[in-house]
Amino acid sequence: QLQLQESGPGLVKPSETLSLTCTVSGGSISGSSYYWGWIRQPPGKGLEWIGSINYSGTTFYNPSLDSRVTMYVDTSKDQFSLNLSSVTATDTSVYYCVRDVLTGYSRFDYWGQGTLLIVSS
Amino acid sequence: SSELTQDPTVSVALGQTIRITCQGDSLRYYYASWYQQKPGQAPVLVIYGKNSRPSGIPDRFSGSNSGDTASLTITGTQAEDEADYYCNSRHSSGNHYVFGSGTKVTVL
Repeated sequence: QLQLQESGPGLVKPSETLSLTCTVSGGSISGSSYYWGWIRQPPGKGLEWIGSINYSGTTFYNPSLDSRVTMYVDTSKDQFSLNLSSVTATDTSVYYCVRDVLTGYSRFDYWGQGTLLIVSS
Repeated sequence: SSELTQDPTVSVALGQTIRITCQGDSLRYYYASWYQQKPGQAPVLVIYGKNSRPSGIPDRFSGSNSGDTASLTITGTQAEDEADYYCNSRHSSGNHYVFGSGTKVTVL
């Protein structure tokens, strides 16, 4: 069974860069059928897709966050990462990593449990 | 603001049928996927494509599409179906995804 697990600092200061990593187990991050993505949810609010990356490093990002987002992949560790720069309090959210199925009907079929990241001084 | 519109709240009596709708221009070009989220939990995929259910999702969940509207129907709603439901699709430009603002389903 595929599992995704987010890891990160929990607390980031305003204007700094948020860094999160997702570790995939029970399967490989390599493969052309899938991308790997990040979705966030501010407390009490809805879901927002941040971006997705594939095993070769091809990315596509939410246009509203594009200038601040960078994603990386490390196939040797079955991990992918998110950097979000110049964070503010509005970036406080639960961040989920997901498997993004691009072939056939697109969908996010596996989700991590989520990690809460708070932006505060 | 979301480019997929959902009713904020919907109530349904136990055992009855509920339809949750999602409206947006992107749905003319791309199928929606639907996610169920219970408090304190990660979302779970319940419907995708024309009307496909992942393994483990009860067959009381079904999906349909017409024009710019996608619908999620729960037939014979159970107490455990009380949750927030989000629709998602590719943006009409094709280069990113959008989520609906979510519908809170209350089972009476």
